[in-house]
Amino acid sequence: TQLLEQSPQFLSIQEGENLTVYCNSSSVFSSLQWYRQEPGEGPVLLVTVVTGGEVKKLKRLTFQFGDARKDSSLHITAAQPGDTGLYLCAGAEHAGNNRKLIWGLGTSLAVNP
Amino acid sequence: KAGVTQTPRYLIKTRGQQVTLSCSPISGHRSVSWYQQTPGQGLQFLFEYFSETQRNKGNFPGRFSGRQFSNSRSEMNVSTLELGDSALYLCASKANRAGRETQYFGPGTRLLVL
Repeated sequence: TQLLEQSPQFLSIQEGENLTVYCNSSSVFSSLQWYRQEPGEGPVLLVTVVTGGEVKKLKRLTFQFGDARKDSSLHITAAQPGDTGLYLCAGAEHAGNNRKLIWGLGTSLAVNP
Repeated sequence: KAGVTQTPRYLIKTRGQQVTLSCSPISGHRSVSWYQQTPGQGLQFLFEYFSETQRNKGNFPGRFSGRQFSNSRSEMNVSTLELGDSALYLCASKANRAGRETQYFGPGTRLLVL
């Protein structure tokens, strides 16, 4: 069962444009992570958000965690070709002492020069 | 520090065969997790090993197994391969700093089953 929905699934834009991708769930997460995966590589952690309503900035990337800790968004300003990749979100659920990550399918972003 | 390394990077097998994949975590990391990634299902958690013991397991059939050695290196084995096992298999080692866990992924092994 897919518990984390990411949208859009695919996005192709021109260099310099702004974009927002979304990660939505009906479940509450203790934290949420965003990763970027480039072709032929494993995912690389970009950010972890923990508090409802939290906003984190990483250069041109702005991450927001929803107030209810069920959803998140990633906004990229003035996209560059180097931003091309698969953006994955993963929500953390805790069951007892176990921590489980629920993954979205990702948004595949292509930034054209 | 060297990152997570996985071998081989690419593999082609036929149905019914078995395969063993290897993962070396970042030095000092004792936790290793394995994932299967496919376009339709995304990342699916296989299992996690910590100090040579399986700590968590995902919902995969018994054909998928793993182990971890005393030097934290881990292997994953898939027996009686099926076409649907074609995927990118990712290994991740984990660090816990200031109470927050961070996973570092290897580049993956791309398995094609014919």
